[in-house]
Amino acid sequence: GNSVTQMEGPVTLSEEAFLTINCTYTATGYPSLFWYVQYPGEGLQLLLKATKADDKGSNKGFEATYRKETTSFHLEKGSVQVSDSAVYFCALMPQAGTALIFGKGTTLSVSS
Amino acid sequence: DTAVSQTPKYLVTQMGNDKSIKCEQNLGHDTMYWYKQDSKKFLKIMFSYNNKELIINETVPNRFSPKSPDKAHLNLHINSLELGDSAVYFCASSELAENSPLHFGNGTRLTVT
Repeated sequence: GNSVTQMEGPVTLSEEAFLTINCTYTATGYPSLFWYVQYPGEGLQLLLKATKADDKGSNKGFEATYRKETTSFHLEKGSVQVSDSAVYFCALMPQAGTALIFGKGTTLSVSS
Repeated sequence: DTAVSQTPKYLVTQMGNDKSIKCEQNLGHDTMYWYKQDSKKFLKIMFSYNNKELIINETVPNRFSPKSPDKAHLNLHINSLELGDSAVYFCASSELAENSPLHFGNGTRLTVT
């Protein structure tokens, strides 16, 4: 079946630290991969996506590369800010017309 | 100009009551979804509609009934509410094209007492 596994949180960092949130997936076929972010009290917002192997999604300083050989889509940012504090969700879409399958989310807390 | 809007934002009710949550999107998308987020932040798909037709119906108690009067609206009606129904419910929409991301509403926090 299809599933997403994210690293357990919470992740606590100081401002300007390097961030990695690990995500691995299990899927049949060739899914599309996404990272969503949820700020407190809000809905989910698309952060970035990648649709095929070796694609790199990037947005707001965040990056993730679709690695088919390791079935991974790890999220990275070189220098986090306090405003990046949120819950981050890795997700996959098995094929067009199917729902997103989410990981359990990783809470990031950045202090100044 | 809210793209996906849900009402109400908060809903507090007693066990056994019937309640509805409304969702509207102005993005012109063909597909709409309901997700449930539990207290541990886990998100699970409940339903998906495409052009008013049900295409995904996960294992959800039949007390939950979605209704799509047109492709811009997908409402969720819940009968005989139980304590375990307390959660945040998110509506979302997307195009049916491959790789199209979902756009989410801000959620409805349902508390059953």
